[in-house]
Amino acid sequence: GIQVEQSPPDLILQEGANSTLRCNFSDSVNNLQWFHQNPWGQLINLFYIPSGTKQNGRLSATTVATERYSLLYISSSQTTDSGVYFCALEAGGTSYGKLTFGQGTILTVHP
Amino acid sequence: DSGVTQTPKHLITATGQRVTLRCSPRSGDLSVYWYQQSLDQGLQFLIQYYNGEERAKGNILERFSAQQFPDLHSELNLSSLELGDSALYFCASSPDRRVTDTQYFGPGTRLTVL
Repeated sequence: GIQVEQSPPDLILQEGANSTLRCNFSDSVNNLQWFHQNPWGQLINLFYIPSGTKQNGRLSATTVATERYSLLYISSSQTTDSGVYFCALEAGGTSYGKLTFGQGTILTVHP
Repeated sequence: DSGVTQTPKHLITATGQRVTLRCSPRSGDLSVYWYQQSLDQGLQFLIQYYNGEERAKGNILERFSAQQFPDLHSELNLSSLELGDSALYFCASSPDRRVTDTQYFGPGTRLTVL
């Protein structure tokens, strides 16, 4: 099956700092989403981005499908950004709807 | 709030028992997905239903089964529970069965098997 690798595994920031999270994948994708899992366990959909660039407030994401990677940018980080960020994707040609998740990046933002 | 509801929020049971987890999708969504999140396996896709029919299967054990009812809510049944089944179980929904659909996740049910 498709392989998903996220980096870095852990990231510690001071409030106000910027960061870039990376997701590498091994095959073409039909569906790529970024999620934030907050400290209470809730999975929050951030972006649906199988290709191109999107922005939502302080967050933006870019997927370069031909080079098989996606980036999540967090600017002016806040303590509420803490949690785990997952990249999840579905490989092209496979059963529809089966999202494969990366292992996540644990982000801690200190005040 | 994603609009997906799951009950119960927490469940504590013993090995060998059987439990049922319930999910109500967002209004109008026809597809329901079940995922398991455990410390050792991470987040794994279990099964997908579309409008009452099984659509895709992932790493779901034979002891587990699911169904989607005519009102589109879904239930995940876990039987002969083992300690290793302790995990957070998520339900997600999407409008259709297309690969381009965004999946919206419920708050999860935390299952503890003692």
